[in-house]
Amino acid sequence: GENVEQHPSTLSVQEGDSAVIKCTYSDSASNYFPWYKQELGKGPQLIIDIRSNVGEKKDQRIAVTLNKTAKHFSLHITETQPEDSAVYFCAASPVNRDDKIIFGKGTRLHILP
Amino acid sequence: GAGVSQSPSNKVTEKGKDVELRCDPISGHTALYWYRQSLGQGLEFLIYFQGNSAPDKSGLPSDRFSAERTGGSVSTLTIQRTQQEDSAVYLCASSRRAGGTGELFFGEGSRLTVL
Repeated sequence: GENVEQHPSTLSVQEGDSAVIKCTYSDSASNYFPWYKQELGKGPQLIIDIRSNVGEKKDQRIAVTLNKTAKHFSLHITETQPEDSAVYFCAASPVNRDDKIIFGKGTRLHILP
Repeated sequence: GAGVSQSPSNKVTEKGKDVELRCDPISGHTALYWYRQSLGQGLEFLIYFQGNSAPDKSGLPSDRFSAERTGGSVSTLTIQRTQQEDSAVYLCASSRRAGGTGELFFGEGSRLTVL
């Protein structure tokens, strides 16, 4: 089955700087990679996703990159703001079959004033 | 309501008691997931349903855990003879379909504390 590793577990960055979170996956059949943000006391919410037919996707200050050969994908947040403080989860899933979505262990991001 | 609803939001129970956690998914969503989130830990997959059937129960930690879904809608996660290590937040999510482009919509979770 799929296994998703996520690093780092905790990340502190100065407000305005960039943050990068990295994930690796094991199942070559996985081709859908969503990222979820969980704020305190809430359930996770999808913030961006990428499929294996593209190498990069951007949405305002958030971008994801994917290297299928290396089975790596990353989340990049630029110009970080206080409201970016949260726990971020990467995940992997196969598109072409009904299967579960497997999450990484999460990264707690602290934006320092 | 428009979102995924879970109840109870908080449950404190004594070791050895049984508990039931309920999830009301978004109307029309055929896929329903249960995840467990222990303190400071990630999202541990427990089980998912496609309609009323559970193709993958591999994440259930022990035979004390069971789940069912009726009418392709409400799901109940039951933990029998609770243990202290069962203490966690149990998150339910629904999706239009399993895997694929299925964005998961999570509820706010049921926090279980076993004394």
